[in-house]
Amino acid sequence: ELKVEQNPLFLSMQEGKNYTIYCNYSTTSDRLYWYRQDPGKSLESLFVLLSNGAVKQEGRLMASLDTKARLSTLHITAAVHDLSATYFCAVGLTGANSKLTFGKGITLSVRP
Amino acid sequence: SQTIHQWPATLVQPVGSPLSLECTVEGTSNPNLYWYRQAAGRGLQLLFYSIGIDQISSEVPQNLSASRPQDRQFILSSKKLLLSDSGFYLCAWDAGRLAGLDEQYFGPGTRLTVT
Repeated sequence: ELKVEQNPLFLSMQEGKNYTIYCNYSTTSDRLYWYRQDPGKSLESLFVLLSNGAVKQEGRLMASLDTKARLSTLHITAAVHDLSATYFCAVGLTGANSKLTFGKGITLSVRP
Repeated sequence: SQTIHQWPATLVQPVGSPLSLECTVEGTSNPNLYWYRQAAGRGLQLLFYSIGIDQISSEVPQNLSASRPQDRQFILSSKKLLLSDSGFYLCAWDAGRLAGLDEQYFGPGTRLTVT
């Protein structure tokens, strides 16, 4: 059974500082996705990582994937209040029936 | 472009009442469809997924059921709601085998409160 772990589950960030959050998974996979959820809202796709060493950047967020370590990192540069949200990673098992296994999410709160 | 709709957006139902939530996808054919539930402050729990109009799989045994009356329509139902059914219900789709992509796209969700 595929397990996806995110840590920490909650992170209080100071504006302007850099942070990294992590997503570990238990089974070989080369498909990892990051989603963002604002309070009371649905999930919005952030990044799609489909190979070892993949790196994607959007604004102050940069995601990377190390399939050998079964680890993805989401790096936040100079945190701003707008980044306050819950971030989920999801790992996909390749095959005919595409299902994603989600982590429990990391709630980020940016304080002045 | 593809869009996904869910309704109703919010629902308050008494314990023991029936439930029907609807999800429709536009702009794509033969999508894989998913129902998730998110309890307050928690992660996503996959409830059902469907890779075809006659193929629905249940992930968690419970008092909920799902149906797919049309290719792009996915229904979540219950005959008798429990308090524990309260939560945020999300429908999602992906292109599955046809496009070889597994990224899922989520609908706006239905917030269900069982009283």
